[in-house]
Amino acid sequence: EAQVTQNPRYLITVTGKKLTVTCSQNMNHEYMSWYRQDPGLGLRQIYYSMNVEVTDKGDVPEGYKVSRKEKRNFPLILESPSPNQTSLYFCASSPQQGAGSPLHFGNGTRLTVT
Amino acid sequence: GQNIDQPTEMTATEGAIVQINCTYQTSGFNGLFWYQQHAGEAPTFLSYNVLDGLEEKGRFSSFLSRSKGYSYLLLKELQMKDSASYLCAVRDLPQAGTALIFGKGTTLSVSS
Repeated sequence: EAQVTQNPRYLITVTGKKLTVTCSQNMNHEYMSWYRQDPGLGLRQIYYSMNVEVTDKGDVPEGYKVSRKEKRNFPLILESPSPNQTSLYFCASSPQQGAGSPLHFGNGTRLTVT
Repeated sequence: GQNIDQPTEMTATEGAIVQINCTYQTSGFNGLFWYQQHAGEAPTFLSYNVLDGLEEKGRFSSFLSRSKGYSYLLLKELQMKDSASYLCAVRDLPQAGTALIFGKGTTLSVSS
């Protein structure tokens, strides 16, 4: 089944403790992206990647890192999480060609930082 | 700047028709997407418009007017399971592998 898989689904952590949220897609998509979703603010892009070893900042990159060593994986790293990073996070992917290709989203990771 | 506006909330009754509007002002335009998102779940793709006019998919239709920077999603024969948030998103660059700019979403509540 074609899908984007994120792990974990839920995560509670404390301020300053490094964490990684994994994202993997099995559709051979070139483009991958991370969004956070907060009430009243909608979906905001954190980082994106156009292909292996090519990453760039989105609208809200502060406090996050990403890497794209393989085409299928795009982990999100929080080196020193803070309470304002408490949010619902989504990984998404799409093929590079065809402007009408929609983003495919993972099931989300609800992160709480205390 | 990039701006996408949608109403925050709408209510409707089962069996009715509801229209969710979206207006956009973006630096470029290469298509408009509608997504459905149930609470706490992933957004799922509903429709894509790049040319003016109406696209129909079963109970859901989406309309686009590029000259007015306007789209709407029309939901017919509403069911309780249609209670969800509906997200309007614009692709401002021509390549598929580029970001979508999302509106804040419209929360639709369907009552019996």
